[in-house]
Amino acid sequence: EAGVTQSPTHLIKTRGQQATLRCSPISGHTSVYWYQQALGLGLQFLLWYDEGEERNRGNFPPRFSGRQFPNYSSELNVNALELEDSALYLCASSLVVNTEAFFGQGTRLTVV
Amino acid sequence: EDKVVQSPLSLVVHEGDTVTLNCSYEVTNFRSLLWYKQEKKAPTFLFMLTSSGIEKKSGRLSSILDKKELSSILNITATQTGDSAIYLCAVCNAGGTSYGKLTFGQGTILTVHP
Repeated sequence: EAGVTQSPTHLIKTRGQQATLRCSPISGHTSVYWYQQALGLGLQFLLWYDEGEERNRGNFPPRFSGRQFPNYSSELNVNALELEDSALYLCASSLVVNTEAFFGQGTRLTVV
Repeated sequence: EDKVVQSPLSLVVHEGDTVTLNCSYEVTNFRSLLWYKQEKKAPTFLFMLTSSGIEKKSGRLSSILDKKELSSILNITATQTGDSAIYLCAVCNAGGTSYGKLTFGQGTILTVHP
């Protein structure tokens, strides 16, 4: 069974640009979560999607947004990129909310 | 706001040693505590502990939840170099503004020397 897959693996953008990160959950999982892991910091919760709706978001500015598609895959968009947005972005999925969450390999975003 | 603190922040041992990693938490409406192992990128799920399942074991790894002390430990016996990783503890809140999110600790960096 395929795990959580994320693309691209690496992404380099310049300040002010927009970045789009993609995530495919484990088959059958309806909840998708996004986390940011900046260098030296722990995982910070960004967004939670379930059944196509945004259910909760962390303490991030509105330029961090996303969506979940009918097939439960998800997209994270970061607008007006800042240098501090450079981080590993991890996507996770779970069968239902508050059960075991399984992570993808992440997208390493570098803003120059 | 939910809070998770792990200790120690880093640990260096030799193969064959036994290690104990600690995690303490403050959460308004506790549902579960999870342990992950992060080697390069993807955190790998190890255990989930809840009020109805306070002890888990898998091979050389075991974990216990102490709901009274609001803490958990992760034990690794007969450590191997492949156990070298960052071990993450996270708590899940059953409701309120933290519903659906995992709050992570800063992690414990374990290094196992041959």
